[in-house]
Amino acid sequence: QSVLTQPPSVSAAPGQKVTISCSGSSSSIGNNYVSWYQQLPGTAPKLLIYDNDKRPSGIPDRFSGSKSGTSATLGITGLQTGDEADYYCGTWDGSLSGGMFGGGTRLTVL
Amino acid sequence: EMQLVESGGGLVQPGGSLRLSCAASGFTFSSYEMNWVRQAPGKGLEWVSYISSSGSTIYYADSVKGRFTISRDNAKKSLYLQLNSLRAEDTAVYYCTRANSGWNGYFYYYMDVWGKGTTVTVSS
Repeated sequence: QSVLTQPPSVSAAPGQKVTISCSGSSSSIGNNYVSWYQQLPGTAPKLLIYDNDKRPSGIPDRFSGSKSGTSATLGITGLQTGDEADYYCGTWDGSLSGGMFGGGTRLTVL
Repeated sequence: EMQLVESGGGLVQPGGSLRLSCAASGFTFSSYEMNWVRQAPGKGLEWVSYISSSGSTIYYADSVKGRFTISRDNAKKSLYLQLNSLRAEDTAVYYCTRANSGWNGYFYYYMDVWGKGTTVTVSS
């Protein structure tokens, strides 16, 4: 059972905006930066956002991240069918001395 | 191009052992922390283990502690995961990942390079 909580699924129409939440605790998100990963069907995950809101080179600015307290949010604007994927939040938990991921959110672009 | 290539997966009986390897290229392997992450069929990502760049600091998930051993050979640019006392619930794709961590106001930790994974199946 993940200690980072994400909604199992979200959906929106092409061109619209969607947000995915990630809820943790003071020992996880509350005191650490959050990263986000995109896993397209049948492929390995890819880093999408790091340090709460930074994008690696090559990631379009349609993807954004934010953090407040013990929760984080991934935002995707201008949805495309190619954005259909599973999205995972990740961070470090100081009390567990280990990394962790949320349970994942499947995005469907209707 | 930065690349991680895993190998060593396969079918093994419960209680058996396997050694996974990960070959790195395109970056200075000895300068980076590394991890193993796994994904059971149809399930989400699970962090498995972390090793510092020198190999002096190691962490494990509780689910594998005492059974799995992470190690690295910087001269060979390779990461390893020894899997012992395997159980059906260890069945998964195992990903080798490059990690970045440190302090910048808060603690940052993220995985910026991922391999394609190697599949471990534990079944009789």
